[in-house]
Amino acid sequence: TQLLEQSPQFLSIQEGENLTVYCNSSSVFSSLQWYRQEPGEGPVLLVTVVTGGEVKKLKRLTFQFGDARKDSSLHITAAQPGDTGLYLCAGGAGNTPLVFGKGTRLSVIA
Amino acid sequence: GAVVSQHPSWVICKSGTSVKIECRSLDFQATTMFWYRQFPKQSLMLMATSNEGSKATYEQGVEKDKFLINHASLTLSTLTVTSAHPEDSSFYICSAPGWNIQYFGAGTRLSVL
Repeated sequence: TQLLEQSPQFLSIQEGENLTVYCNSSSVFSSLQWYRQEPGEGPVLLVTVVTGGEVKKLKRLTFQFGDARKDSSLHITAAQPGDTGLYLCAGGAGNTPLVFGKGTRLSVIA
Repeated sequence: GAVVSQHPSWVICKSGTSVKIECRSLDFQATTMFWYRQFPKQSLMLMATSNEGSKATYEQGVEKDKFLINHASLTLSTLTVTSAHPEDSSFYICSAPGWNIQYFGAGTRLSVL
């Protein structure tokens, strides 16, 4: 069974600070996705990383896929209150169900 | 882009009644759909895989007689929570796979009184 360990589970920071969320596994994934979820809504895809060592940027968010495709990180620069939410990493691709990490609940305080 | 529509978004029911949740792929065909459950402050847990034209595949610990799944067509899967009890109260989310991506519904919040 593939598992994804996501950390930290909770993070409360001041506006303007930087943060990193980690997603680790002992298994190799063909791809990893990062989602953000608001209360009462479905998860919204932020990015998919496919190639080992890949780095993708989405404005102030930087996503990295480990060389061995077993881990990934999400780094947010100069966090804003609007970044508050639940961030989820998930592994899998194609016609298979996703394996989700436990999520990181981020709170950015103005 | 592809969209998955999930209905209803919120339902309240009395204990012992059954509730049906629909998941539709709006502009693409989905021979497979996935149903997840999410408890408050927790992540998504896969409940079952819905397969068009065949029986659903349930994850360990999920009662197939309680959570009935019907994949009626290439664009519709339904999850029926039978004889619902308060412990079934949760957020249920469906997804349909596309090309190297999963499209998620907006979720259904079920509250059983």
